[in-house]
Parts: sequence; structure tokens; C-alpha cells
Amino acid sequence: EPEVTQTPSHQVTQMGQEVILRCVPISNHLYFYWYRQILGQKVEFLVSFYNNEISEKSEIFDDQFSVERPDGSNFTLKIRSTKLEDSAMYFCASSAKRGGIGEQYFGPGTRLTVT
Amino acid sequence: GESVGLHLPTLSVQEGDNSIINCAYSNSASDYFIWYKQESGKGPQFIIDIRSNMDKRQGQRVTVLLNKTVKHLSLQIAATQPGDSAVYFCAERAEGGGADGLTFGKGTHLIIQP
Repeated sequence: EPEVTQTPSHQVTQMGQEVILRCVPISNHLYFYWYRQILGQKVEFLVSFYNNEISEKSEIFDDQFSVERPDGSNFTLKIRSTKLEDSAMYFCASSAKRGGIGEQYFGPGTRLTVT
Repeated sequence: GESVGLHLPTLSVQEGDNSIINCAYSNSASDYFIWYKQESGKGPQFIIDIRSNMDKRQGQRVTVLLNKTVKHLSLQIAATQPGDSAVYFCAERAEGGGADGLTFGKGTHLIIQP
């Protein structure tokens, strides 16, 4: 069964540093998403991406965040200057249809720890 | 250390019994709803979805009920198994341009007792 993969599984970084979280969506999917989940809290939408541009972003997705699809397979989330409150699980998702109709497939997540 | 985060509602059922997990949503413009299961250390896993033009949908051992009048969604799991133990989230998507992201509920922790 196809799956979304994410690397690394755990990233530890110091406050103020830049991090790049990587995702490989399912190969025939066209819509890509990043979500985050602070420990013990609900999953929160960050951004959606289609046709090489952002299609929607939440209030959380400020200027410190950026996304990119550098090649035909990877989808990345960059945080330019990490803050303590950026510590969370970051989930990548992809779907064949817009808005995840039919299903958004989630990756296993990257645990980001900012110290 | 200090405990942070939400206290999840917990539902404990005996193995083999049926369980019902409830979710209230607030956006009357939501047109698509999904139930996800999240096991410890893993990403959300799709269970079943329903569009707003339906009030019931059945899958394998699972049924989702949608009551748009009171903005309520429920997930019924029949004949629960130990592998059903997880946190269950409802998610909604609002109709309209650019509404690609899902809005997740707070989650319910389902515990299956042997």
C-alpha cells in the first residue's frame, strides 16, 4: 500500500536555528499538506500546496514558515528561526483530490524539539 | 514536570462491545467530515468519511452518523478489538474557495478492556 514518508523522525534544534522537514508524498497525489500537533493537543492545519504554490494557509503559518517542492518527489517545510513553541509533531499529508476528498494520507510525522 | 495540553475525553469499553464516539462541530459551512484514528507515535489514519448530503455511512465494523441540525457527528465501532485502542479525531472541511485544510476536533481516547 502506498504511504507518505517523512524524515527525520526526530529533529532536535536550538532556538533561532533553521530546520527543514522533509516529506515524500504518495507518487500520484497532487495536493500536499502540512499539519502540526503540539503534545497532547489536536492536529492543526498549517498549509496546503498545489501546482507549485500555496493554496491555503492558516494563521499559524507565518513568515517564519515556507514550503517547497524542490523536485518531483519531495515536499519540504522550512522554519527559518525556530522558537520554543515550534516544538511539536509535524505531519505531512497528501491527497489525490482537492481538500482531501476521498482521503488525506498522513505520514508518520517528524517530532521537532526546540531547545 | 508540568503537565500541558488538553485532557482528552476517555471512553473505556469491553472487548467485543460496541462503542460510540461523539463529536460536535461548529462550522455550519462544513460539507465533508472524516474520522481519523491515531495510535501512539503515529500519524492520523483515515477510517471513514461522509459528505454533508448524507446522514449515515457504513464501513467495515464502523458507521458514521451525521446530524446537521445539531452539528453532531458520531462514530460507531462494532465488536471492538484490542487494536481499536487509539485516539479518535473527527475532522471537517468547510466548503468554499481555498478550503483545503481539515479542522480537527480535540479527540477521544478509546480504551478497549480485555
